[in-house]
Amino acid sequence: DGGITQSPKYLFRKEGQNVTLSCEQNLNHDAMYWYRQDPGQGLRLIYYSQIVNDFQKGDIAEGYSVSREKKESFPLTVTSAQKNPTAFYLCASSNLGLFNEKLFFGSGTQLSVL
Amino acid sequence: DQQVKQNSPSLSVQEGRISILNCDYTNSMFDYFLWYKKYPAEGPTFLISISSIKDKNEDGRFTVFLNKSAKHLSLHIVPSQPGDSAVYFCAASIQGAQKLVFGQGTRLTINP
Repeated sequence: DGGITQSPKYLFRKEGQNVTLSCEQNLNHDAMYWYRQDPGQGLRLIYYSQIVNDFQKGDIAEGYSVSREKKESFPLTVTSAQKNPTAFYLCASSNLGLFNEKLFFGSGTQLSVL
Repeated sequence: DQQVKQNSPSLSVQEGRISILNCDYTNSMFDYFLWYKKYPAEGPTFLISISSIKDKNEDGRFTVFLNKSAKHLSLHIVPSQPGDSAVYFCAASIQGAQKLVFGQGTRLTINP
């Protein structure tokens, strides 16, 4: 059963702590994306990667970092520099990395600050 | 600057009637539009899309209309069913510019 798996479903961060959100896909898609959703706002792009070992900043990359060492995996680290990390984080993938392709999303991770 | 706007945060429709969800955009360079549906605690799923060279695209109970001069698109669901209760996001892209912008979402509730 192909899809995107995000873990954990819920995550709590202490002040000054870095946390990493996992995203794995078995759809054999080249492109992967991280979005952030805040209440009453649309999804905003944090980072995207169209190929292994390469990634690009999105609209709100400050305070976040990513890596793309494997085609299947695109973890997102929320660093202590991100002052307002509480949000719902969504990972997505697409076949070619074209921005008019349909995206396949994971179930999301809710990050909260303790 | 919110380039894609869904001005209705919520919409309530009776089962069997038509649901109309609206989306406005400000950037005339957008050339492809998509609608996604999201259930609670799940990721969005793709619903339907339309290219700027068309003004209508239909898929079963779902039809998307595009009015380029008004920079407006709408999603029609006929007939509405209880399983359609979800949050609907519209999104607009500029091919070649690697840009995709989402609206804020509209929560649709279908009442029995």
